[in-house]
Amino acid sequence: EAGVTQSPTHLIKTRGQQVTLRCSPISGHTSVYWYQQALGLGLQFLLWYDEGEERNRGNFPPRFSGRQFPNYSSELNVNALELEDSALYLCASSLVAGGQETQYFGPGTRLLVL
Amino acid sequence: AQSVSQHNHHVILSEAASLELGCNYSYGGTVNLFWYVQYPGQHLQLLLKYFSGDPLVKGIKGFEAEFIKSKFSFNLRKPSVQWSDTAEYFCAVNAPGGSYIPTFGRGTSLIVHP
Repeated sequence: EAGVTQSPTHLIKTRGQQVTLRCSPISGHTSVYWYQQALGLGLQFLLWYDEGEERNRGNFPPRFSGRQFPNYSSELNVNALELEDSALYLCASSLVAGGQETQYFGPGTRLLVL
Repeated sequence: AQSVSQHNHHVILSEAASLELGCNYSYGGTVNLFWYVQYPGQHLQLLLKYFSGDPLVKGIKGFEAEFIKSKFSFNLRKPSVQWSDTAEYFCAVNAPGGSYIPTFGRGTSLIVHP
């Protein structure tokens, strides 16, 4: 069974630019989560999509946005990039079953903003 | 809102030493608990999880964790570590029936030297 995939693996951008990151969940999983993993800060929750809808978002500014497509894949968009956006962006997918949910993570996209 | 605290930020051990990584959470209700591992250059993988039942949970690669409800703890243990256990370890908690968004600890960096 294929795991969660993300693209691209690495990105280098400059301040003010825009970036789009992509995620394909495990087959059959309807939920996609996005996290930011900055150095020394652990995983910070960004966005949660389920069945095509945004269900929740973390404490990030509106320039972080995304969407989920009918095939449950997802995009994360970051506008007006700032230096502190440099981080590893992780996508996870999950399937809720009987109130028990486990998230499975992709390899991440490493973004460097210069 | 729940929070997760991992007390040990960096741990250095020799091979065959025993390991215990601390994880405490703050949340008054029922919780699901997870330990994830991130090996160098690899993506986050699930080590073990607790939903209900036996509070002693066995995971992959000889790891186990014990849920002590009275102490709000879910410490990770391994009786004899190997060089290949060198990795970053993350504890996470979510509340079933709620948003399912897990809260992660900041992680513990484990270095095992031969």
